[in-house]
Amino acid sequence: GQQLNQSPQSMFIQEGEDVSMNCTSSSIFNTWLWYKQEPGEGPVLLIALYKAGELTSNGRLTAQFGITRKDSFLNISASIPSDVGIYFCAHGSSNTGKLIFGQGTTLQVKP
Amino acid sequence: ETGVTQTPRHLVMGMTNKKSLKCEQHLGHNAMYWYKQSAKKPLELMFVYSLEERVENNSVPSRFSPECPNSSHLFLHLHTLQPEDSALYLCASSQAWVNNQPQHFGDGTRLSIL
Repeated sequence: GQQLNQSPQSMFIQEGEDVSMNCTSSSIFNTWLWYKQEPGEGPVLLIALYKAGELTSNGRLTAQFGITRKDSFLNISASIPSDVGIYFCAHGSSNTGKLIFGQGTTLQVKP
Repeated sequence: ETGVTQTPRHLVMGMTNKKSLKCEQHLGHNAMYWYKQSAKKPLELMFVYSLEERVENNSVPSRFSPECPNSSHLFLHLHTLQPEDSALYLCASSQAWVNNQPQHFGDGTRLSIL
């Protein structure tokens, strides 16, 4: 079946540092999505990517759809305490709405 | 406010109880989903409804029974659950069940089975 590897599993950084996380897959996909989940809440969509090579920003967040269509990364610049949470990547490959989610990257930011 | 509302937020039940989880979306979407989120595991898709018809059933035990009376409402009926069913149950919706549309999630129901 499709395998989606998200790394790192967790990060503990100092406020103001930049953060990078990525997802890789064994197959080619048409869509990459990045979500953030805070404690007690559901995942919230951050960025959606639909084309290989696409680079999209949302404030201090930047995500790219890899050229090979098998990977994606998310960068957070100048982290702040409210960036704390679990970040999930998800991809879709078929003509359906089915998404496969990564295991998540837990981010902690030290003030 | 995500536009997807789940109730209750927390539920504790015994293994012999029957309860229902409710989801309502105010986004005008045509597809709705149930996911199970357990610690240290990726989100697991349970059921998908598109235009009130079930289109995906991922080998979920029959003790979970979904119901979609209209495109805005989704229920998950629970009966004779097991301790391993304790998890966060998330509802989501998307514009349609095509072309990898982004899904919008509710805040979940935290379910604990005694």
